[in-house]
Amino acid sequence: NAGVTQTPKFRVLKTGQSMTLLCAQDMNHEYMYWYRQDPGMGLRLIHYSVGEGTTAKGEVPDGYNVSRLKKQNFLLGLESAAPSQTSVYFCASTSSRDRGYFSGNTIYFGEGSWLTVV
Amino acid sequence: KQEVTQIPAALSVPEGENLVLNCSFTDSAIYNLQWFRQDPGKGLTSLLLIQSSQREQTSGRLNASLDKSSGRSTLYIAASQPGDSATYLCAVASGGSYIPTFGRGTSLIVHP
Repeated sequence: NAGVTQTPKFRVLKTGQSMTLLCAQDMNHEYMYWYRQDPGMGLRLIHYSVGEGTTAKGEVPDGYNVSRLKKQNFLLGLESAAPSQTSVYFCASTSSRDRGYFSGNTIYFGEGSWLTVV
Repeated sequence: KQEVTQIPAALSVPEGENLVLNCSFTDSAIYNLQWFRQDPGKGLTSLLLIQSSQREQTSGRLNASLDKSSGRSTLYIAASQPGDSATYLCAVASGGSYIPTFGRGTSLIVHP
């Protein structure tokens, strides 16, 4: 059981380039989230999804787009990277049910993706 | 808008001490509260989850309490060890959708 997997783990981009971060979870979770973590700022929500085919904006959505075409995958795109998007990006997922029972909605995180925009 | 505050921001203690980390939140209409541990360069690992209807949860040397009416939670770590050194974050899930809001964390160092 891999849990939540993020790719790539490290990436260096030039200003103006585009890229996509992939998050994959194998736990059949409905909810998926993309956060960025910056020193002194904590974790801030970029976008989230409550199910396949749905996405919504979080606290800091500008400059990012997302898609959830398949339940297990949540993609985060940077159309034109800027130095301000240098950060560590975390994907997370959760479900309202665990093994058929209503659960406490434990949130599972990926290991993070380190992005540097120069 | 839900706001989550963690105090202290950093803590350094000798091995063996019992310690308390604090988390406060502004909106008491929550689904649950969760405590996480984050090691340097790693993702977050869930430690304890407290449902809104619960008062506390325990796992080994960890005990988390929740006082929803006052908007507070504490994480109690008994007999701290150097391996407990990490950043501890609390997250409160609230809102129409299930949106976790995180505090900025408490950086803990336990020295031998």
